[in-house]
Amino acid sequence: GAGVSQSPRYKVTKRGQDVALRCDPISGHVSLYWYRQALGQGPEFLTYFNYEAQQDKSGLPNDRFSAERPEGSISTLTIQRTEQRDSAMYRCASSSEGGGGETQYFGPGTRLLVL
Amino acid sequence: GESVGLHLPTLSVQEGDNSIINCAYSNSASDYFIWYKQESGKGPQFIIDIRSNMDKRQGQRVTVLLNKTVKHLSLQIAATQPGDSAVYFCAENRGPSGAGSYQLTFGKGTKLSVIP
Repeated sequence: GAGVSQSPRYKVTKRGQDVALRCDPISGHVSLYWYRQALGQGPEFLTYFNYEAQQDKSGLPNDRFSAERPEGSISTLTIQRTEQRDSAMYRCASSSEGGGGETQYFGPGTRLLVL
Repeated sequence: GESVGLHLPTLSVQEGDNSIINCAYSNSASDYFIWYKQESGKGPQFIIDIRSNMDKRQGQRVTVLLNKTVKHLSLQIAATQPGDSAVYFCAENRGPSGAGSYQLTFGKGTKLSVIP
Protein backbone atom coordinates (compact mmCIF):
# COMPACT_ATOMS: atom_id res chain seq x y z
CA GLY A 1 0.00 0.00 0.00
CA ALA A 2 0.99 3.60 -0.39
CA GLY A 3 3.01 5.17 2.37
CA VAL A 4 3.34 8.79 3.32
CA SER A 5 4.16 10.94 0.33
CA GLN A 6 5.54 14.44 0.22
CA SER A 7 6.00 16.98 -2.51
CA PRO A 8 8.04 18.50 -3.85
CA ARG A 9 11.00 16.32 -3.00
CA TYR A 10 13.37 19.23 -3.51
CA LYS A 11 12.70 22.92 -3.36
CA VAL A 12 15.18 25.68 -4.05
CA THR A 13 14.00 29.18 -3.37
CA LYS A 14 15.37 32.64 -2.89
CA ARG A 15 15.43 34.34 0.44
CA GLY A 16 12.20 36.20 1.07
CA GLN A 17 10.00 33.93 -1.01
CA ASP A 18 7.14 31.88 0.40
CA VAL A 19 7.12 28.10 0.05
CA ALA A 20 4.42 25.47 0.54
CA LEU A 21 5.29 21.89 1.33
CA ARG A 22 2.72 19.17 0.93
CA CYS A 23 2.16 15.96 2.86
CA ASP A 24 -0.18 13.16 1.88
CA PRO A 25 -0.49 10.79 4.84
CA ILE A 26 -1.35 7.12 4.77
CA SER A 27 -5.03 6.80 3.96
CA GLY A 28 -7.18 6.79 7.05
CA HIS A 29 -4.48 7.94 9.42
CA VAL A 30 -5.86 10.27 12.03
CA SER A 31 -2.67 11.87 13.27
CA LEU A 32 -0.25 13.88 11.19
CA TYR A 33 3.05 15.33 12.37
CA TRP A 34 5.52 17.69 10.78
CA TYR A 35 9.17 17.44 11.73
CA ARG A 36 12.33 19.17 10.59
CA GLN A 37 15.56 17.26 10.28
CA ALA A 38 19.02 18.78 10.10
CA LEU A 39 21.85 16.80 8.54
CA GLY A 40 23.11 14.15 10.93
CA GLN A 41 20.37 14.83 13.44
CA GLY A 42 17.11 13.19 14.29
CA PRO A 43 13.85 14.82 13.27
CA GLU A 44 12.57 17.61 15.52
CA PHE A 45 8.89 18.16 16.11
CA LEU A 46 7.15 21.13 14.51
CA THR A 47 3.40 20.62 14.70
CA TYR A 48 0.65 18.02 15.11
CA PHE A 49 -2.82 17.50 13.68
CA ASN A 50 -5.56 15.27 14.95
CA TYR A 51 -7.89 15.01 11.97
CA GLU A 52 -8.19 18.61 10.79
CA ALA A 53 -7.47 20.18 14.15
CA GLN A 54 -4.00 21.58 14.73
CA GLN A 55 -3.65 20.56 18.34
CA ASP A 56 -0.02 21.38 18.94
CA LYS A 57 2.15 23.90 17.16
CA SER A 58 4.64 24.38 19.93
CA GLY A 59 7.55 23.28 17.73
CA LEU A 60 7.05 25.88 15.03
CA PRO A 61 10.10 28.16 15.27
CA ASN A 62 8.31 31.46 14.63
CA ASP A 63 5.22 32.97 13.08
CA ARG A 64 6.57 32.65 9.55
CA PHE A 65 5.74 28.96 9.83
CA SER A 66 2.16 27.77 9.57
CA ALA A 67 0.38 24.55 8.70
CA GLU A 68 -3.07 23.40 7.82
CA ARG A 69 -4.98 20.20 7.21
CA PRO A 70 -8.40 21.47 6.19
CA GLU A 71 -10.08 18.16 5.36
CA GLY A 72 -8.24 15.97 7.79
CA SER A 73 -6.08 14.35 5.13
CA ILE A 74 -3.52 16.28 3.09
CA SER A 75 -1.51 18.86 5.00
CA THR A 76 0.46 21.87 3.88
CA LEU A 77 3.35 23.44 5.74
CA THR A 78 3.92 27.02 4.65
CA ILE A 79 7.00 29.09 5.31
CA GLN A 80 6.67 32.78 4.58
CA ARG A 81 9.54 35.12 3.81
CA THR A 82 12.03 32.28 3.85
CA GLU A 83 15.45 32.75 5.37
CA GLN A 84 18.62 30.78 4.81
CA ARG A 85 18.34 29.22 8.26
CA ASP A 86 15.10 27.57 7.11
CA SER A 87 17.10 25.26 4.85
CA ALA A 88 16.55 21.73 6.06
CA MET A 89 14.75 18.48 5.37
CA TYR A 90 11.08 18.73 6.27
CA ARG A 91 9.44 15.44 7.10
CA CYS A 92 5.86 14.45 7.59
CA ALA A 93 4.69 11.44 9.58
CA SER A 94 1.30 9.91 10.18
CA SER A 95 -0.14 7.41 12.60
CA SER A 96 -3.39 5.53 12.63
CA GLU A 97 -4.69 6.67 15.97
CA GLY A 98 -4.73 9.86 17.93
CA GLY A 99 -3.25 8.48 21.11
CA GLY A 100 0.24 7.67 22.19
CA GLY A 101 2.08 4.44 21.53
CA GLU A 102 1.18 4.39 17.87
CA THR A 103 3.84 3.96 15.27
CA GLN A 104 4.56 7.05 13.23
CA TYR A 105 5.37 6.39 9.60
CA PHE A 106 7.56 8.92 7.89
CA GLY A 107 7.51 10.25 4.37
CA PRO A 108 10.58 10.77 2.17
CA GLY A 109 10.77 14.44 3.07
CA THR A 110 11.14 17.71 1.21
CA ARG A 111 14.65 19.10 1.01
CA LEU A 112 14.39 22.89 1.20
CA LEU A 113 17.29 25.07 0.18
CA VAL A 114 16.99 28.81 0.66
CA LEU A 115 19.57 30.80 -1.27
CA GLY B 1 16.66 19.95 28.42
CA GLU B 2 15.81 16.28 28.58
CA SER B 3 16.59 14.39 25.41
CA VAL B 4 17.29 11.04 23.90
CA GLY B 5 20.95 10.45 23.15
CA LEU B 6 23.23 7.77 21.77
CA HIS B 7 26.50 6.51 23.23
CA LEU B 8 28.27 5.83 19.95
CA PRO B 9 28.00 7.96 16.83
CA THR B 10 29.50 5.30 14.51
CA LEU B 11 29.68 1.54 14.56
CA SER B 12 31.49 -0.75 12.13
CA VAL B 13 30.80 -4.48 12.16
CA GLN B 14 31.77 -7.44 10.05
CA GLU B 15 29.08 -9.01 7.95
CA GLY B 16 27.54 -11.87 9.86
CA ASP B 17 28.40 -10.50 13.28
CA ASN B 18 25.84 -9.18 15.70
CA SER B 19 25.42 -5.42 16.15
CA ILE B 20 24.41 -3.59 19.28
CA ILE B 21 23.35 0.04 19.15
CA ASN B 22 22.79 1.81 22.44
CA CYS B 23 20.66 4.74 23.48
CA ALA B 24 20.20 6.61 26.75
CA TYR B 25 17.10 8.55 27.61
CA SER B 26 16.53 10.91 30.46
CA ASN B 27 12.77 11.27 30.76
CA SER B 28 11.43 8.70 33.17
CA ALA B 29 7.90 9.52 32.04
CA SER B 30 8.53 8.18 28.55
CA ASP B 31 6.36 5.16 27.93
CA TYR B 32 6.99 4.19 24.34
CA PHE B 33 10.22 3.79 22.42
CA ILE B 34 10.91 3.19 18.78
CA TRP B 35 13.96 2.35 16.73
CA TYR B 36 14.11 3.76 13.24
CA LYS B 37 16.48 2.95 10.41
CA GLN B 38 17.33 5.71 7.97
CA GLU B 39 19.07 4.99 4.71
CA SER B 40 20.64 7.72 2.66
CA GLY B 41 18.03 9.84 0.93
CA LYS B 42 15.10 8.17 2.63
CA GLY B 43 12.83 8.88 5.56
CA PRO B 44 13.12 7.07 8.89
CA GLN B 45 11.82 3.53 8.59
CA PHE B 46 10.19 1.82 11.57
CA ILE B 47 12.13 -1.19 12.83
CA ILE B 48 10.76 -2.15 16.20
CA ASP B 49 9.09 -0.59 19.20
CA ILE B 50 8.71 -1.34 22.87
CA ARG B 51 6.44 -0.07 25.59
CA SER B 52 7.58 0.76 29.07
CA ASN B 53 5.81 -2.22 30.60
CA MET B 54 8.18 -4.55 28.73
CA ASP B 55 11.92 -5.07 28.95
CA LYS B 56 12.50 -7.05 25.78
CA ARG B 57 10.88 -7.42 22.42
CA GLN B 58 12.01 -9.45 19.44
CA GLY B 59 11.42 -9.05 15.77
CA GLN B 60 12.96 -10.57 12.74
CA ARG B 61 16.73 -10.47 13.41
CA VAL B 62 16.23 -7.52 15.75
CA THR B 63 15.76 -7.32 19.48
CA VAL B 64 15.11 -4.24 21.56
CA LEU B 65 16.00 -4.19 25.23
CA LEU B 66 14.71 -1.62 27.68
CA ASN B 67 16.28 -1.03 31.07
CA LYS B 68 14.13 1.48 32.88
CA THR B 69 16.32 1.44 35.96
CA VAL B 70 19.20 3.05 34.13
CA LYS B 71 17.08 4.58 31.35
CA HIS B 72 18.84 2.63 28.63
CA LEU B 73 17.61 1.25 25.34
CA SER B 74 19.48 -0.99 22.94
CA LEU B 75 18.92 -2.44 19.51
CA GLN B 76 20.50 -5.75 18.69
CA ILE B 77 20.78 -6.88 15.08
CA ALA B 78 21.64 -10.52 14.55
CA ALA B 79 23.80 -11.68 11.64
CA THR B 80 24.31 -8.15 10.36
CA GLN B 81 24.02 -7.81 6.59
CA PRO B 82 25.28 -5.13 4.19
CA GLY B 83 21.68 -3.98 3.79
CA ASP B 84 21.66 -3.07 7.46
CA SER B 85 24.08 -0.23 6.81
CA ALA B 86 22.24 2.96 7.73
CA VAL B 87 21.81 5.51 10.49
CA TYR B 88 19.78 4.23 13.40
CA PHE B 89 17.75 6.52 15.63
CA CYS B 90 16.06 5.77 18.87
CA ALA B 91 13.03 7.86 19.65
CA GLU B 92 10.93 8.25 22.74
CA ASN B 93 7.32 9.17 23.20
CA ARG B 94 6.98 11.07 26.42
CA GLY B 95 3.24 10.86 26.55
CA PRO B 96 0.87 13.64 25.65
CA SER B 97 2.23 17.13 25.57
CA GLY B 98 0.25 19.84 27.20
CA ALA B 99 -1.53 20.25 23.90
CA GLY B 100 -2.31 16.56 23.56
CA SER B 101 0.19 15.51 20.94
CA TYR B 102 2.50 12.53 21.07
CA GLN B 103 5.49 13.77 19.20
CA LEU B 104 8.61 11.73 19.18
CA THR B 105 11.90 12.97 20.57
CA PHE B 106 14.86 11.63 18.62
CA GLY B 107 18.49 11.20 19.41
CA LYS B 108 21.29 12.13 17.06
CA GLY B 109 21.69 8.73 15.42
CA THR B 110 24.31 6.03 15.11
CA LYS B 111 25.77 5.21 11.73
CA LEU B 112 26.15 1.48 11.25
CA SER B 113 28.63 0.36 8.61
CA VAL B 114 28.75 -3.30 7.67
CA ILE B 115 32.07 -4.56 6.37
CA PRO B 116 31.61 -7.31 3.73
